[in-house]
Amino acid sequence: EAGVAQSPRYKIIEKRQSVAFWCNPISGHATLYWYQQILGQGPKLLIQFQNNGVVDDSQLPKDRFSAERLKGVDSTLKIQPAKLEDSAVYLCASSLGSYQPQHFGDGTRLSIL
Amino acid sequence: GENVEQHPSTLSVQEGDSAVIKCTYSDSASNYFPWYKQELGKRPQLIIDIRSNVGEKKDQRIAVTLNKTAKHFSLHITETQPEDSAVYFCAARSTGTASKLTFGTGTRLQVTL
Repeated sequence: EAGVAQSPRYKIIEKRQSVAFWCNPISGHATLYWYQQILGQGPKLLIQFQNNGVVDDSQLPKDRFSAERLKGVDSTLKIQPAKLEDSAVYLCASSLGSYQPQHFGDGTRLSIL
Repeated sequence: GENVEQHPSTLSVQEGDSAVIKCTYSDSASNYFPWYKQELGKRPQLIIDIRSNVGEKKDQRIAVTLNKTAKHFSLHITETQPEDSAVYFCAARSTGTASKLTFGTGTRLQVTL
């Protein structure tokens, strides 16, 4: 079975620029998650989708971050404008349902200059 | 919200020895506790998980124990091998609509020859 696909793998931008990440979950997985992993820390949930609806976005900085999951499959996460503290790995994960094990993608490493 | 503490932050063992990583959680309603292994630059991989109705689970050299009363759970790796070297994260899942995973801060395990 193909895993969670993410792109790009690496991105370098200057502060105040915008950036977008893409995620394709495992086929058939209804639940999709975006996490932020800062160096030396565990992943922190930013947003959780059930199909194309948002279940939890309580830790998403909504003044600069946005995410969508059109048609309940692929998802994009956008940051606009980026700040230095946004430097992190952005991980996408998916699961069959909210109470099923989560499987992660390789992540996008974002560096802000 | 849920808070997960993980200890130790680093652990060095000799090949063949056992390794134990401990986590505590704050929300007594949490009901699912996965462990992830993350090698440098790679995705977190689920290695074992336990649900709150079970006290212990074992998979070959890996075992997890759960003490609901004390709100702590532990990962045990026996007969460690160099390929076990990685960062290990525990997590706890809260109940409710969002069923959010909260991760610990990670333990860097180094298995020396």
